[in-house]
Amino acid sequence: AQSVTQPDIHITVSEGASLELRCNYSYGATPYLFWYVQSPGQGLQLLLKYFSGDTLVQGIKGFEAEFKRSQSSFNLRKPSVHWSDAAEYFCVATPGTYKYIFGTGTRLKVLA
Amino acid sequence: GAVVSQHPSWVICKSGTSVKIECRSLDFQATTMFWYRQFPKQSLMLMATSNEGSKATYEQGVEKDKFLINHASLTLSTLTVTSAHPEDSSFYICSSAGGAITYEQYFGPGTRLTVT
Repeated sequence: AQSVTQPDIHITVSEGASLELRCNYSYGATPYLFWYVQSPGQGLQLLLKYFSGDTLVQGIKGFEAEFKRSQSSFNLRKPSVHWSDAAEYFCVATPGTYKYIFGTGTRLKVLA
Repeated sequence: GAVVSQHPSWVICKSGTSVKIECRSLDFQATTMFWYRQFPKQSLMLMATSNEGSKATYEQGVEKDKFLINHASLTLSTLTVTSAHPEDSSFYICSSAGGAITYEQYFGPGTRLTVT
């Protein structure tokens, strides 16, 4: 079955530290991949997306993600985390339709 | 990205009453809209997919008679929770698709429903 896995439910980092959020997908072919962020009580904001081409994708707010076909992964990274980055992060995949497959989410806590 | 609004942003209603949530695609024509439900500290659960001018397609386990979806125009979809009960309390999020970027959904800010 098609699925998206985010192994880390919670992650805590200190402000200024680097961040990596993991995402693995299970599909027969390369899906379209997205990372969204959700602040408490808010809707989802798109951070970045991968459709094809360059496997290192740059997004907003200093985030980037790297698509690795061999590992079926699409990990999100940020070199220096800010306190305002504390939120819920969702990895999303779609096999080429409008229907999204959501990961379970990773809740990021940032220590001052 | 495209802008999607939801109204109201939060609503409190009494058990047994119905409540309508509006989802508007403000700057593009959304051929498809989605309705999600999100429980606290959980991921989004797709409830239904609606295409303009046709009946919504509900996901397995979602009661279509309780959650009425209407997608009457390319910019507006509504979700009506009928005869609401406390267990319907949740965060409801809509999204729109069909814009310039293939397969991308644009999410509304969500509606917090509390049924007392």
